[in-house]
Amino acid sequence: DIQMTQSPSSLSASVGDRVIITCRASQSIGSYLNWYQQKLGKAPQLLIYAASSLQSGVPSRVSGSGSGTDFTLTISSLQPEDFATYYCQQSYSTPYTFGQGTKLEIK
Amino acid sequence: QLQLQESGPGLVKPSETLSLTCTVSGGSISSSSYYWGWIRQPPGKGLEWIGNIYYSGSTYYNPSLQSRVTISVDTSKNQFSLKLSSVTAADTAVYYCAKQMTTVTIFDYWGQGTLVTVSS
Repeated sequence: DIQMTQSPSSLSASVGDRVIITCRASQSIGSYLNWYQQKLGKAPQLLIYAASSLQSGVPSRVSGSGSGTDFTLTISSLQPEDFATYYCQQSYSTPYTFGQGTKLEIK
Repeated sequence: QLQLQESGPGLVKPSETLSLTCTVSGGSISSSSYYWGWIRQPPGKGLEWIGNIYYSGSTYYNPSLQSRVTISVDTSKNQFSLKLSSVTAADTAVYYCAKQMTTVTIFDYWGQGTLVTVSS
């Protein structure tokens, strides 16, 4: 199985801050990397697919980059609705695997 | 607007079989563009892909669960189902059904999730 490792596991930030979450794959996965946001008690929602493509309806302050084994999710100016947990997921091969999550909290 | 809704018992006894159904509305489960999958999340933990199914019945399972998992589809009811046998407390989780694109492997629509607790 491909292991996905996110850092940091938790992050405190303020409204208006720029934050970066990283995700590393245990082997090269090309651009087969997706990002999800999960709010407490809700299902995950797709933010970014194929490493850098913005899902319809997701604000442009959210962006993704990377290829191979190293990927980043950037939120350029945090808004109150962005405080949530974020997961990366590889879609290169089955079993599809997720990172352990990064919890973004209000400072 | 496509919607997915999980249903099934919220409490299952150890060693028994967990059974859940996902009902799809607002779209056809028989579309050639989609797979239909199950993903679970133990309380306070991360996400685990269980497996998926194509409308034709082709299935893909996580090897870690393969010996205990069966996913099936009923196109006449626009539903797909999950069975997980010989459950233990480690199978306690929120179970989500989700739509997966075939062109890009993304889970773009999810059900709200249903908590299944394994306990005697």
